[in-house]
Amino acid sequence: DAKTTQPTSMDCAEGRAANLPCNHSTISGNEYVYWYRQIHSQGPQYIIHGLKNNETNEMASLIITEDRKSSTLILPHATLRDTAVYYCIVRVAWTAAGNKLTFGGGTRVLVKP
Amino acid sequence: EAQVTQNPRYLITVTGKKLTVTCSQNMNHEYMSWYRQDPGLGLRQIYYSMNVEVTDKGDVPEGYKVSRKEKRNFPLILESPSPNQTSLYFCASSLGTVPYEQYFGPGTRLTVT
Repeated sequence: DAKTTQPTSMDCAEGRAANLPCNHSTISGNEYVYWYRQIHSQGPQYIIHGLKNNETNEMASLIITEDRKSSTLILPHATLRDTAVYYCIVRVAWTAAGNKLTFGGGTRVLVKP
Repeated sequence: EAQVTQNPRYLITVTGKKLTVTCSQNMNHEYMSWYRQDPGLGLRQIYYSMNVEVTDKGDVPEGYKVSRKEKRNFPLILESPSPNQTSLYFCASSLGTVPYEQYFGPGTRLTVT
């Protein structure tokens, strides 16, 4: 699986957009980019995923560069409840191994009033 | 409401006393798995199941057993718990392999003394 690199931490003002970068320069053609978050020891929560195209859902937007070597998760209007550790991971499709999630360091996001 | 439930949420037990942590999902998901999360070690997969009666080892299966007799349930069994199994445990489920997203339970905090 491709390795990902994320900043260790970032702060964001409440009500502003939070842009979380992720580098995955060794990603291969059948690997998806996933974002999950974990709010202090709660169960990890799925946010969004994508392969090539940009994606948007009710929680966030995912922007993937054309060469797929990096992506950005955008939380459009951050709230205090968005304070969490955000994990960018790359998973290969259609295999049991791809379903095994191994969260690394992630980005610790602190939303401030 | 679509959800993954785990019971109990908290458990303190003694070495050697058999215990079972239940996991149930109401989304008709085929894939289910168990993880443990320890400080500094991230999320590690214990066992997974691709469907009823189909289970396989993850990365850290020693000391654990699982069964998948019904699609909705995937209990984790510790036959003889030891202190090194003190951890935060999560059950997860998904419709299938990637690109399907995984949904996590709220977690079970287990302490073995």
